[in-house]
Amino acid sequence: QVQLQQSGPQLVRPGASVKISCKASGYSFTSYWMHWVKQRPGQGLEWIGMIDPSHSETRLNQKFKDKATLTVDKSSGTAYMQLSSPTSEDSAVYYCVRGYDVDYFDYWGQGTTLTVSS
Amino acid sequence: EIVLTQSPAITAASLGQKVTITCSASSSVSYMHWYQQKSGTSPKPWIYEISKLASGVPARFSGSGSGTSYSLTISSMEAEDAAIYYCQQWNYPLITFGAGTKLELK
Repeated sequence: QVQLQQSGPQLVRPGASVKISCKASGYSFTSYWMHWVKQRPGQGLEWIGMIDPSHSETRLNQKFKDKATLTVDKSSGTAYMQLSSPTSEDSAVYYCVRGYDVDYFDYWGQGTTLTVSS
Repeated sequence: EIVLTQSPAITAASLGQKVTITCSASSSVSYMHWYQQKSGTSPKPWIYEISKLASGVPARFSGSGSGTSYSLTISSMEAEDAAIYYCQQWNYPLITFGAGTKLELK
């Protein structure tokens, strides 16, 4: 069965880079775009961007172009999102999501809670 | 950028009541997807490509719409349907979500 297993919760200091992982299993990793979605406490869903694991081609929401870097490791079937210079505004739950037919989000990771605090 | 506006923002329904949630797009789009989220859990795929039910979604749910107006309907409210529902679409290069509709049991 398809599973997206994300890394655990993180507490980071403002300005310290952070990297979240998402290990995919149960399907061909390179056949589906992987997306990342942000959800701040009590708020809605916000699309960060997506990566094609086959070619490492990325498409980012321009709002996150200076914040998020998406990468993959095809050998392990793992997607990563690095957030640069985090601030309190980056405190949120981050989901990796498989994109069926690119933009239909058919499988979601369990979410990674990021807390940015000094 | 296409903006998706959901209404109502919050609503409550009694058991057995019909419920309709709407999603209005700022420009015409060709399809809409919907997701259900319950507190403390990841969103779940619910309805895709306007009217197709995701796996495991009860038949009391339906989706419809075209152009700038889409809707999710529950024919008869059940307790387990209380959740937040989000609409979502992709208008290249941006994927956007509606702000969500919170459905409560009255």
